[in-house]
Amino acid sequence: QVQVVESGGGGVQPGGSLRLSCAASGFIFSSYAMHWVRQAPGKGLEWVATIRIDGTNKYYADFVKGRFTISRDNSKNTLYLQMNSLRAEDTAVYYCAKDHNIWTNYFDYWGQGTLVTVSS
Amino acid sequence: DIQMTQSPSTLSASVGDRVTITCRASQSINNWLAWYQQKPGKAPKLLIHEASSLKSGVPSRFSGSGSGSEFTLTISSLQPDDFATYYCQQYHSYSLSFGQGTKLEIK
Repeated sequence: QVQVVESGGGGVQPGGSLRLSCAASGFIFSSYAMHWVRQAPGKGLEWVATIRIDGTNKYYADFVKGRFTISRDNSKNTLYLQMNSLRAEDTAVYYCAKDHNIWTNYFDYWGQGTLVTVSS
Repeated sequence: DIQMTQSPSTLSASVGDRVTITCRASQSINNWLAWYQQKPGKAPKLLIHEASSLKSGVPSRFSGSGSGSEFTLTISSLQPDDFATYYCQQYHSYSLSFGQGTKLEIK
């Protein structure tokens, strides 16, 4: 069955960096766009970034442009989110989400999320 | 960027009720709209895509309608498992966006 499992969350100081990973299984990873979506404590869902199947096209929310980088390794069935210059407002559960198809931009499977806490 | 606005923010209802949640986009998004259900501490689940297409396995009491900039999610007869928060999401533009959510509570 389709599974996406995030890891790499934790506590970090403002200005610090963190790399999230998302291990995918149960589907042909290289055939689907992938996404990161976050949710601050007690708040709604917020799209963060999208990467297309070959990794050449990437899209970011304005609030992370220049600080976060989405990437993928199709040989390892793994999605990444490199987060630099972290701010308190980046504190959230970060979800990895599979696209419904090659690139439809909605999400048919989600991971359980990994919590990132930015605090001094 | 396209802004998505849901109403109401909170909805109190009883088992067996018919409920409707509205989602409005700040510009036309054709029918590029999805609906998700999220329960506390869990990841969201896709219910509907292309505004009215039910994901396989989702109960038929859920339905979606609308096009352009106004959309609705209807639950025809609320079941205990349906009390959750619901989000709409537009995918008309590369900059994806969600509504702020509608929390469906037990009356």
